[in-house]
Amino acid sequence: EVQLVESGGGLVQPGGSLRLSCAASGFTFSTYSMHWVRQAPGKGLEYVSAISSNGDNTHYANSVKGRFTISRDNSKNTLFLQMGSLRDEDMAVYYCARGGPLGTGTTSYYWGQGTLVTVSS
Amino acid sequence: QSALTQPPSASGSPGQSVTISCTGTSSDVGGYNYVSWYQQHPGKAPKLMIYDVNKRPSGVPDRFSGSKSGNTASLTVSGLQAEDEADYYCSSYAGSNNVVFGGGTKLTVL
Repeated sequence: EVQLVESGGGLVQPGGSLRLSCAASGFTFSTYSMHWVRQAPGKGLEYVSAISSNGDNTHYANSVKGRFTISRDNSKNTLFLQMGSLRDEDMAVYYCARGGPLGTGTTSYYWGQGTLVTVSS
Repeated sequence: QSALTQPPSASGSPGQSVTISCTGTSSDVGGYNYVSWYQQHPGKAPKLMIYDVNKRPSGVPDRFSGSKSGNTASLTVSGLQAEDEADYYCSSYAGSNNVVFGGGTKLTVL
């Protein structure tokens, strides 16, 4: 069974930093792309970032480009999202999702339960 | 990248069929056969229901079907059941490794 468990969310001040993690199990982590998708309170889904299976290819939404960095440790089956220069509008539940085997993926096949990031002074 | 356009709400009675539209452009929905649909119940994580326009993951009832015509994709739920009441989101590949979501549609089973 595919399992994705996010952690690292919490309260952070505007301008601050936070690192999210996603522990994966139930599949061969190193052979699939991975995604971060967020959902602001009461709002819709927003694609944040994606990374290819070997980490060589990454992509970011314009809204986070230059502030967020996605990475992965295939030896530990873990996905990361380093978030910096956080803004009010970054406040959301952040979901980790498994993509397909090619590139950065076009579909999020499995989703974690999410971790809440609150940006407030 | 602009979000795809979905109706805010849709509804139907048990047993009926309902179709939710997802309108984009030739740069996303119309340009690629990589449209997905996700179901999200309140307080829960999204669940993939349709991918690559019309493919169903294992375990998704065949009451759910997807299609596309030009720049508009559609999700049809046939034989509506109470548990189908949820928010539904479409997404599409938009080139250059980019993925765009729709604003979501709240489906109510009357």
